[in-house]
Amino acid sequence: SAVISQKPSRDICQRGTSLTIQCQVDSQVTMMFWYRQQPGQSLTLIATANQGSEATYESGFVIDKFPISRPNLTFSTLTVSNMSPEDSSIYLCSVEGLAGVSYNEQFFGPGTRLTVL
Amino acid sequence: GIQVEQSPPDLILQEGANSTLRCNFSDSVNNLQWFHQNPWGQLINLFYIPSGTKQNGRLSATTVATERYSLLYISSSQTTDSGVYFCAVEVGGTSYGKLTFGQGTILTVHP
Repeated sequence: SAVISQKPSRDICQRGTSLTIQCQVDSQVTMMFWYRQQPGQSLTLIATANQGSEATYESGFVIDKFPISRPNLTFSTLTVSNMSPEDSSIYLCSVEGLAGVSYNEQFFGPGTRLTVL
Repeated sequence: GIQVEQSPPDLILQEGANSTLRCNFSDSVNNLQWFHQNPWGQLINLFYIPSGTKQNGRLSATTVATERYSLLYISSSQTTDSGVYFCAVEVGGTSYGKLTFGQGTILTVHP
């Protein structure tokens, strides 16, 4: 199966700053997604990262706060902008369209654990 | 949007016991996955099972799509089974690729 990596694995940031999280897959995939998991909660989809075009955001998430890039079929970034303590969460990328598995089965990266002080 | 309900919310077992986790969903789905989130936060794929029955070692899962529920069976539980189990579904259509997660079942297995 594919290897999905995220950087950084964890970070502690000051409020008002921004953090960019990277997601790298070792094979080309059709779809990439970003999810947020707030403390003690389930996962919520932030957006679909579209290759070569603007991301598609879910209700409650906006581009100014969570800008996303996807320059190619193996890489995406999520930026958490102007952070506040409420942004403290685990951020996970997921991919779909891996070879050898069902077309819409999703696999997740290891996550980035963000703490905002 | 689709509603996903998991039960029970918490489950405490002694090592060696069996358990059944349930996932109910409110609409037809074209993807249903079970995940195990370990204490480090990593989501491990257990089953891709929009319908039918699958088995993998001590774990098995059944989805009855017409009745909109899925069951995850864990037999002879081990302490390493502890963690949070999530069910996630995808409706398809304009929601293509969007996984909606249940609230999870927190499983604790004592030695």
